[in-house]
Amino acid sequence: GAGVSQSPRYKVAKRGQDVALRCDPISGHVSLFWYQQALGQGPEFLTYFQNEAQLDKSGLPSDRFFAERPEGSVSTLKIQRTQQEDSAVYLCASSLRDYSTDTQYFGPGTRLTVL
Amino acid sequence: AQKVTQAQTEISVVEKEDVTLDCVYETRDTTYYLFWYKQPPSGELVFLIRRNSFDEQNEISGRYSWNFQKSTSSFNFTITASQVVDSAVYFCALIEIKAAGNKLTFGGGTRVLVKP
Repeated sequence: GAGVSQSPRYKVAKRGQDVALRCDPISGHVSLFWYQQALGQGPEFLTYFQNEAQLDKSGLPSDRFFAERPEGSVSTLKIQRTQQEDSAVYLCASSLRDYSTDTQYFGPGTRLTVL
Repeated sequence: AQKVTQAQTEISVVEKEDVTLDCVYETRDTTYYLFWYKQPPSGELVFLIRRNSFDEQNEISGRYSWNFQKSTSSFNFTITASQVVDSAVYFCALIEIKAAGNKLTFGGGTRVLVKP
């Protein structure tokens, strides 16, 4: 079966540009997560959706980061006015239910480079 | 707040050697879940195991085994008879039981290099 997919896989942006990163979770998965992984570090939580509701956005580093999941399936992470410190791999994960202990399955990530 | 520490940043072994990855965690909760993920060069995090805090029984899956010691807050991972395909970064992670949708807290990862 299809896993979590993300697009684009690579994105190069000039400082100040807006970017949009897409995540297609596993079909039927209720929960969706975004993580940011800086080079050589472990992933860090950004935000969480239960269906279309964004229940936790405590990890978003600034108000330039915005995420949505309007129909409870595909999600988009948008970064406005990108800065060099936004360069990282952005990982999306989904889990079947809204139970906190469900296993999260990850996509391949989008590597964002801000010049 | 919860924290996961993987003190080993990189381990290099020769094929067929055993390798043990250390993971130490901190949490105030009595109920929590621990995970191990593998991140090969392709970048995708691959789920390996999930263990809840009430189950201290060690687990073996093929060449992989896990040692959960609640008394020392450790959840170590051993690869037996390592193979070149085991080369990857391995992450230990923790979820505390609260309201729905808890985030994974990851350690910094341990890079394993298996040489032929």
